[in-house]
Amino acid sequence: GAGVSQSPSNKVTEKGKDVELRCDPISGHTALYWYRQSLGQGLEFLIYFQGNSAPDKSGLPSDRFSAERTGGSVSTLTIQRTQQEDSAVYLCASRQEDTQYFGPGTRLTVL
Amino acid sequence: GENVEQHPSTLSVQEGDSAVIKCTYSDSASNYFPWYKQELGKGPQLIIDIRSNVGEKKDQRIAVTLNKTAKHFSLHITETQPEDSAVYFCAASPYSGGGADGLTFGKGTHLIIQP
Repeated sequence: GAGVSQSPSNKVTEKGKDVELRCDPISGHTALYWYRQSLGQGLEFLIYFQGNSAPDKSGLPSDRFSAERTGGSVSTLTIQRTQQEDSAVYLCASRQEDTQYFGPGTRLTVL
Repeated sequence: GENVEQHPSTLSVQEGDSAVIKCTYSDSASNYFPWYKQELGKGPQLIIDIRSNVGEKKDQRIAVTLNKTAKHFSLHITETQPEDSAVYFCAASPYSGGGADGLTFGKGTHLIIQP
């Protein structure tokens, strides 16, 4: 079946611009995660959604980051006023039972 | 919070030999330890996981061992093949599947299988 999809696959933006990253989880998976993977680093947890419940935003790196999940399915991660240190691969995962299934990620480059 | 250390950062082995990757964790409450394989341009994929109520788990050529007292766990790949070349990540969590706090990952090991 279809896995987790993310769009765009690549995004190049200028410093100061806003970007929106999209995640389509596997159908029926109620739990959804966002992670950030910087070059040569492990994955850093950003935020978690369970169904339609309000998320705990304390893991987001700064108040420039926000995320939402509409209808308990598609999720978007928005970064406002992007900075060069925001350059990374942003990964989304949806969970069924104990397994997190990752999408291919969005590579964000901030010039 | 949890901190996961992973070694080595790069591991090169001859095809057919075994590979071992080691991780340590800091939070004694952690009881779920998955291993992920990430190929170039793709997201990580779960290859095996272990919970604290067992000390070892095997799946064909892959095995994971856990020492809760020492807070370390290891991934063992036997009879390595070219398709095993990838970046491997260990992770830890107090909750199966990561719960609401997500998984805490190590920095990864780039495994290179030499023909």
